[in-house]
Amino acid sequence: AQSVTQLDSHVSVSEGTPVLLRCNYSSSYSPSLFWYVQHPNKGLQLLLKYTSAATLVKGINGFEAEFKKSETSFHLTKPSAHMSDAAEYFCVVSDASGTYKYIFGTGTRLKVLA
Amino acid sequence: NAGVTQTPKFQVLKTGQSMTLQCAQDMNHEYMSWYRQDPGMGLRLIHYSVGAGITDQGEVPNGYNVSRSTTEDFPLRLLSAAPSQTSVYFCASSETGGRDIQYFGAGTRLSVL
Repeated sequence: AQSVTQLDSHVSVSEGTPVLLRCNYSSSYSPSLFWYVQHPNKGLQLLLKYTSAATLVKGINGFEAEFKKSETSFHLTKPSAHMSDAAEYFCVVSDASGTYKYIFGTGTRLKVLA
Repeated sequence: NAGVTQTPKFQVLKTGQSMTLQCAQDMNHEYMSWYRQDPGMGLRLIHYSVGAGITDQGEVPNGYNVSRSTTEDFPLRLLSAAPSQTSVYFCASSETGGRDIQYFGAGTRLSVL
């Protein structure tokens, strides 16, 4: 069975400082992993996706994530936060078991302080 | 290219009423799904479909019905609305499901009184 845990429900950073949003996953098969962002009262937008190619994945708006199989982690990072990064971020796992299900984490709300 | 279109954007129902949330995509995607989003719980899968004529249950299917008669449309029916179904509902589609990127609609905010 698949599962995903986002380790922090809220993260606050100052503008210009690094962002780290943590995600651990569990999957019986080779997983695909995604990060989505949701700005207030909006739909979800894909930030980046991992599907067994390079372990360091670059996404939009300067975000990147590293797949670490030994740690079952897929943490999202950005070197320098911008006010526009304030949003909710979701880590998502799916696997190749044929269930076709995407499992969402409970989300991390990022606050960026001026 | 419209992508995934959900209607309505907002709806208020009384307990016991029925309604259908509409979802349509114009990307010829085989996989479509419905989620509900509640504070602190992320998105939870209600039902999904891997192609026309095929549907299956997700994590929280009780109280909801779906059908998939065409590739483009995947309506979600609430047969007898309950206050516990107050939520924001998102429809999503992807090429085949599993490893593909999901594209989301703008959401439907539903209140059941």
